[in-house]
Amino acid sequence: DQQVKQNSPSLSVQEGRISILNCDYTNSMFDYFLWYKKYPAEGPTFLISISSIKDKNEDGRFTVFLNKSAKHLSLHIVPSQPGDSAVYFCAASPLRGQNFVFGPGTRLSVLP
Amino acid sequence: DAMVIQNPRYQVTQFGKPVTLSCSQTLNHNVMYWYQQKSSQAPKLLFHYYDKDFNNEADTPDNFQSRRPNTSFCFLDIRSPGLGDAAMYLCATTLGTSNEQFFGPGTRLTVL
Repeated sequence: DQQVKQNSPSLSVQEGRISILNCDYTNSMFDYFLWYKKYPAEGPTFLISISSIKDKNEDGRFTVFLNKSAKHLSLHIVPSQPGDSAVYFCAASPLRGQNFVFGPGTRLSVLP
Repeated sequence: DAMVIQNPRYQVTQFGKPVTLSCSQTLNHNVMYWYQQKSSQAPKLLFHYYDKDFNNEADTPDNFQSRRPNTSFCFLDIRSPGLGDAAMYLCATTLGTSNEQFFGPGTRLTVL
């Protein structure tokens, strides 16, 4: 059973528009969430995180929103750029510093 | 500058023939992880070392073993690879209580 779900395997967005990647989780013990970005032939790289005491965290063009009651988080990229084309993984853990569980990823394509 | 290095990047082995994948890091991180990622699936944690303490995930097959001779190096040994073990194997490191993991580029294993 998947504890972390990313129900959209792929997403295409026009350059300059907003990209919204969604993630749902089932384990109510999850308290810390991260987004990773992966280019082909490279390992995942950390993008942004959020802990459950917040409902929003922003870093430049990237914003993560957390809705604990819905067990849902989303990553917004504004404006989207062609270089953002990659696979985005959502991950969750019960506590900061503990092992976390990955979602299956969403492939984002930003079209020029 | 590579921080988490995995060798080889591509490994081909025969059914049942033991294979070793290696990972090294220049970050002096005390925690090292091995993940298995099959196509379009989430990276799945196999085991991790917290310093010298080995932690096996409950559903990691006995066929998979690991060694960490020192802080910098960690090995994944697959004693008798099956066709189902063909996957991308990702090594990652982190410092203690941080959730941000640094990933290597992965080793893609093919089993013939």
